[in-house]
Amino acid sequence: KQEVTQIPAALSVPEGENLVLNCSFTDSAIYNLQWFRQDPGKGLTSLLLIQSSQREQTSGRLNASLDKSSGRSTLYIAASQPGDSATYLCAVRLGNAGNMLTFGGGTRLMVKP
Amino acid sequence: GAGVSQTPSNKVTEKGKYVELRCDPISGHTALYWYRQSLGQGPEFLIYFQGTGAADDSGLPNDRFFAVRPEGSVSTLKIQRTERGDSAVYLCASSPTDWAGELFFGEGSRLTVL
Repeated sequence: KQEVTQIPAALSVPEGENLVLNCSFTDSAIYNLQWFRQDPGKGLTSLLLIQSSQREQTSGRLNASLDKSSGRSTLYIAASQPGDSATYLCAVRLGNAGNMLTFGGGTRLMVKP
Repeated sequence: GAGVSQTPSNKVTEKGKYVELRCDPISGHTALYWYRQSLGQGPEFLIYFQGTGAADDSGLPNDRFFAVRPEGSVSTLKIQRTERGDSAVYLCASSPTDWAGELFFGEGSRLTVL
């Protein structure tokens, strides 16, 4: 069974810092990995989707990398802003076990002004 | 519509009652998913539809839970004989492709069972 872990569970940083969120998964036979943002009481907003054949994806100040063989992905946020405060979730889709995403528990990020 | 729409946004019910939660996916999206999210945790998969059929219902916790998508668009998640442990946010997502596409989530329906 695929297990997804996100470390740290919570993170508080001052505005302007560059930061890295970590995601690890136990079964490396993934099809793709997706990073989401969730604001309190809201649904999930897709940030980046990385296919298993890709090493990274970039969108604005966000960069997500994927190392399938070691079962890891990182989300890099450059020049963090208070508006980045939210919970960040990673989710993986296995290549041979249906079409569902398996989510990590998320990292709650607080960026202080 | 512009995004995935879920109704109601909040539902409070008593233990033992029947509940229906509705999801209206993004127009043209063929794949539809239901997830359940408890406080402080990531979403857990419930069921996945391709068109009108349930392609994978392995995440439904027991036979009190059932979902339909009769015309391949709107879906309804049905919960019979609700229990306090069913309290959670129920999230719906849709995807433009049948396999491994990017998921777009709605705002969720928060269910509270008293």
